[in-house]
Amino acid sequence: DVKVTQSSRYLVKRTGEKVFLECVQDMDHENMFWYRQDPGLGLRLIYFSYDVKMKEKGDIPEGYSVSREKKERFSLILESASTNQTSMYLCASSLARARTEAFFGQGTRLTVV
Amino acid sequence: GENVEQHPSTLSVQEGDSAVIKCTYSDSASNYFPWYKQELGKRPQLIIDIRSNVGEKKDQRIAVTLNKTAKHFSLHITETQPEDSAVYFCAANGNEKLTFGTGTRLTIIP
Repeated sequence: DVKVTQSSRYLVKRTGEKVFLECVQDMDHENMFWYRQDPGLGLRLIYFSYDVKMKEKGDIPEGYSVSREKKERFSLILESASTNQTSMYLCASSLARARTEAFFGQGTRLTVV
Repeated sequence: GENVEQHPSTLSVQEGDSAVIKCTYSDSASNYFPWYKQELGKRPQLIIDIRSNVGEKKDQRIAVTLNKTAKHFSLHITETQPEDSAVYFCAANGNEKLTFGTGTRLTIIP
């Protein structure tokens, strides 16, 4: 069974804080993704990575950055959290680039106050 | 980039009836179309997918159809059951990124 694990289920941060969301997968997948889920907007791609130390912008990268130092770990960074970044964040991994099943983590509900 | 539109946003059906959810996509190069189910409080999980070289795929009560000419694909659930209640997302892989639709909240009425 593929496991994608996100470090926190719930987080509450203050405006202006630097926030790290961590994601680890145990299936040796090369491809990892960060999505943001908001009601009525579906899942929107923030950043993705097809290899270690590689990153590409998704559809809504503004205000975010990522880090992938090891194959199994993909981190999402909010450099200076703002209230409009309050959302559910989902990490995913897949074997082949956007051509096979994406396995999702359990999600991190981030609230910025 | 890819644009995926999904309809309806909400759908209620009587238990035992069929449910149909429709999606359209914009990138003619898309060749992989998965459907995900997300139950309340849980992560999205793949329920069925289709590739561009086939027009239809079935898995028990679930089927997906693809019309590449019209750039639309649909999810069909027959003999619906209470456990089918969830949010369903379609996706397409234009520009080598999975772009998701906005979701359909399906409610099965007992």
